[in-house]
Amino acid sequence: GENVEQHPSTLSVQEGDSAVIKCTYSDSASNYFPWYKQELGKRPQLIIDIRSNVGEKKDQRIAVTLNKTAKHFSLHITETQPEDSAVYFCAASIGGGADGLTFGKGTHLIIQP
Amino acid sequence: EAGVAQSPRYKIIEKRQSVAFWCNPISGHATLYWYQQILGQGPKLLIQFQNNGVVDDSQLPKDRFSAERLKGVDSTLKIQPAKLEDSAVYLCASSSTGGDTQYFGPGTRLTVL
Repeated sequence: GENVEQHPSTLSVQEGDSAVIKCTYSDSASNYFPWYKQELGKRPQLIIDIRSNVGEKKDQRIAVTLNKTAKHFSLHITETQPEDSAVYFCAASIGGGADGLTFGKGTHLIIQP
Repeated sequence: EAGVAQSPRYKIIEKRQSVAFWCNPISGHATLYWYQQILGQGPKLLIQFQNNGVVDDSQLPKDRFSAERLKGVDSTLKIQPAKLEDSAVYLCASSSTGGDTQYFGPGTRLTVL
């Protein structure tokens, strides 16, 4: 089955700086890659996603890049703010997202004031 | 529109007891998922329903876990008997037919003593 590796497990950045979280996946058939943000005690919430026919997608301060050949994708957050502090999960799915998601282990992003 | 609803929010039981969780997906969402999230890890898919049929239950420990979605709307997940390692947050998610985005409920936090 699919295996998703996520790095780093913890990331601390100064407010205003950029943060980058990286994930790799094992199954070349995966074609949908969402990113979820989970605050302590809350439900995971989708922040951005990308399909395998696109190399990059951007939404305001958040962007995701995908390298199908290398089987890795990354989340980029620019101009970080205190409210960006949370755990971020990458995930992969075969079947365009209609199938279940395989999640990475998460990255705890800490924004230092 | 109302989100995914789950109950109870918290449950504490002793090992070898049984427990059931309930999920009501977003209205009109045909696909329903149950995930298990152990502390410090990403969610892990347990079972996926399409209407009232099982699409994927390959990671469901069938000797003790069962799930049903009899009328294609609400779903229940049962554990019988519970083990200490079942302590986790059980998340329900739903998505529309042909849609990518999975919307998560608030989860049920299970503690097995």
